[in-house]
Amino acid sequence: QVQLVQSGAEVKKPGASVRVSCKTTGDNFSAYYVHWVRRAPGQGLEWLGRINPKSGGTTYAQKFQGRVTMTRDASISTGYMELSSLRSDDTAVYYCATGNDIEHWGQGTRVTVSS
Amino acid sequence: SSEVTQDPSVSVALGQTVRITCQGDTLRSYSTSWFQQKPGQAPVLVIYARTKRPSGIPDRFSGSTSGNTASLTITGAQAEDEADYFCNSRDSSGNQWVFGGGTKLTVL
Repeated sequence: QVQLVQSGAEVKKPGASVRVSCKTTGDNFSAYYVHWVRRAPGQGLEWLGRINPKSGGTTYAQKFQGRVTMTRDASISTGYMELSSLRSDDTAVYYCATGNDIEHWGQGTRVTVSS
Repeated sequence: SSEVTQDPSVSVALGQTVRITCQGDTLRSYSTSWFQQKPGQAPVLVIYARTKRPSGIPDRFSGSTSGNTASLTITGAQAEDEADYFCNSRDSSGNQWVFGGGTKLTVL
């Protein structure tokens, strides 16, 4: 049974950075890409990018190039997503997801950006 | 703007059949998945590889693709199917994943 457990809610000020973690249990962490997706209030799902846990190679959505960094620590089966220069419209629930068909999702991490 | 588009909302009477569509030229070349999301919950994969259903998903959910349009059909909609539905595929480069804007399904 694959489970993804994310870090807790964050409140940040505009201009700050946030890092969200995602720990995978129950499967080979290196087997599948880890994707990051967010959903802002009143908006749809938005793909931020993905990381290859084996190589560390990343692909970022063009919208977030230069602001997002995805890393991983394979020794503890954990992926990280850092978003910098936060704005109020980055307020959203951030999800990690993995699996051959992105069938496994974390519980979500609420990030609130407010002055 | 997304390279795949969906109608913002659709409604269906309880027990009837509803089709939710997703349009985009890249759907001709790349596989489509469908996700269901209910308020306060993480998305759930209901269809992958255009037509395949993960284990545990009721067989009233089915997927198809014709040309540049992917469809999610719910045959005999239930009250618990009321949710937001998102299609997912690739952009024209093939390197970026994209989601449709989502369709809010109301079961009357």
